[in-house]
Amino acid sequence: DAGVIQSPRHEVTEMGQEVTLRCKPISGHNSLFWYRQTMMRGLELLIYFNNNVPIDDSGMPEDRFSAKMPNASFSTLKIQPSEPRDSAVYFCASSFHSSYNEQFFGPGTRLTVL
Amino acid sequence: DQQVKQNSPSLSVQEGRISILNCDYTNSMFDYFLWYKKYPAEGPTFLISISSIKDKNEDGRFTVFLNKSAKHLSLHIVPSQPGDSAVYFCAASAKEKDDKIIFGKGTRLHILP
Repeated sequence: DAGVIQSPRHEVTEMGQEVTLRCKPISGHNSLFWYRQTMMRGLELLIYFNNNVPIDDSGMPEDRFSAKMPNASFSTLKIQPSEPRDSAVYFCASSFHSSYNEQFFGPGTRLTVL
Repeated sequence: DQQVKQNSPSLSVQEGRISILNCDYTNSMFDYFLWYKKYPAEGPTFLISISSIKDKNEDGRFTVFLNKSAKHLSLHIVPSQPGDSAVYFCAASAKEKDDKIIFGKGTRLHILP
């Protein structure tokens, strides 16, 4: 298995533009997580899905952020409009929903908003 | 308020010696604890975990100790090797409640030659 796949790996955009980050979880995993890593706040959970259904989005910082999971093999995290403070590394992770199974992380997308 | 705290942003240890990384938590509902390791430009990878019903779990050079009364856990790496240089994240979960994992801010470990 190729592991969790994220695209793009790097994204540079200007303030006000829409940004879409993509994630393909490991086949067979039914839980998917979006995280954001910054120096100040470390690794924060933004939202997670179980069987394609959003379970907890309490970590989504603002209405500018939205996430979807239209099927078991694809998820998107969208920021519209983007702001410089959104600059961070965004990770997607997946796991098999069961007790005590660890999450597998993708390589991340480094977002820079100018 | 941070529920998982790693108070040492960085740690330097001589190669061959023991590395001890510490972590404190505040939520008494946490019943499962994990350590992740992260190299630059890569995602975190799972290292070792411990359930709250145990106080120690060992896997090769890595041992995690859990002190529930103190709400404290530690990761011991012995002997430390150059490839252990990375950022280590402590994480906790209330598995009976949901799948969320709360991460600490990480500790950067430098193994010195």
